[in-house]
Order: sequence, then C-alpha cells, then structure tokens
Amino acid sequence: GAGVSQSPSNKVTEKGKDVELRCDPISGHTALYWYRQSLGQGLEFLIYFQGNSAPDKSGLPSDRFSAERTGGSVSTLTIQRTQQEDSAVYLCASSLTRFHFADTQYFGPGTRLTVL
Amino acid sequence: KQEVTQIPAALSVPEGENLVLNCSFTDSAIYNLQWFRQDPGKGLTSLLLIQSSQREQTSGRLNASLDKSSGRSTLYIAASQPGDSATYLCAVLLDSSGAGSYQLTFGKGTKLSVIP
Repeated sequence: GAGVSQSPSNKVTEKGKDVELRCDPISGHTALYWYRQSLGQGLEFLIYFQGNSAPDKSGLPSDRFSAERTGGSVSTLTIQRTQQEDSAVYLCASSLTRFHFADTQYFGPGTRLTVL
Repeated sequence: KQEVTQIPAALSVPEGENLVLNCSFTDSAIYNLQWFRQDPGKGLTSLLLIQSSQREQTSGRLNASLDKSSGRSTLYIAASQPGDSATYLCAVLLDSSGAGSYQLTFGKGTKLSVIP
C-alpha cells in the first residue's frame, strides 16, 4: 500500500504569487495533519482535519493560509500572496483513527517551498 | 503557551552505547506525548506515543518514559547503532481550550550521531 504522498516535492515561486500544496493520505485514514518546518521556527503544527472538517484553524500562521479536504481524502494547503517568510518544508501526515492525535501518524516526504 | 525543550541539541556517541534523550514541557496538562525520528531531507517517523495516563512505552531498543507532574519525558536507546543516527523530536499534545481544540507543540530536536 502506498504511503502519504505530497506534490509538488519542490516549489519555487515569486513573492506575491499564490501556491497550492497537495497531500494524498493513506487510503482509509480519517485524520490528516499539516505541519511546517523552517530553520528559524523548527516544526510547527498548522491544522488537522477529521474527515473533511477542520475543528481548529488557529494554528494557521495568517489569513493568507487556507486548507481544505474533500471526499475525506485529498487535502490542499493554499498560500495566497506568498512572502519570503513562507519558505519552509510543508509536511503532511495522516492517521487511521477518528480520535485524532491518538494514533500513529504517517508522514509524507514534504514539499519544499522557496519564495524568492 | 506550551513550550517544549530538548536537551542536548546534538549528541555524538560510539556504537553500542546506551543513551538518553531528554524532553521537557511547561504545561503538564497534556493529552499525550510522542517521540519522532527525522532523517535528513525526509519526513517524520513516529516512534512512540505515550498517553497522559501512561508512564512508559517500549518498542524494540527504544523506551520512552513520561512524568507529567515534572513535565519531563526521556527516550532511552539501548545498544545504539549507526542506523539510529537521525534527529529525534519530542511533541506534546494539549487541548488548549478544553473543548477539543488540540495543539501539538514540537521541541527543536536532538541530532544524534552514532559513530561506528
């Protein structure tokens, strides 16, 4: 069975452009998580989905960030009007349980975003 | 705000040695604590998850303990091998609002090098 996949693996964009990052979780996993890892901040938790619902969006860094999940599967993290401080590796993870965070998370390889 | 500290930041040991990695957190009202491993340029691998009601978890040569009252966890690696070389991250889960609004906070990690 395939693991968590993310696309693109690398994205270079110009400041001010919008970007979409995609995550395909393991089939059947109900919970999905987004994280950001940058040199200055370490690893930050951004948002999680239980099914298609994100109960708490307060971890998103700014209102330029949004995320959605459709069909209980694929999720997209969108960053509008990118800034240089958005440069980081964006990691996605999924877990089987409907009791989020109580089960093992399986991580994708990440998307490295560079904003010039 | 939950703060997670990992000491040491880096550790180099000869192969075969037993070692301990430390994690401390400021808010003891955690839901669970996880230890992850991250290899260079890759995502995270979940190693051990300890629920708040548990004292320790074991998997192979790894043993993680949790002392909620003192805000500490340790990851014990027995008979270290070169393949254990990686960055080890500790993360604590807190229900920040008490209403199912979970926040996962990571430490900055301990970079372990096991010398053959």
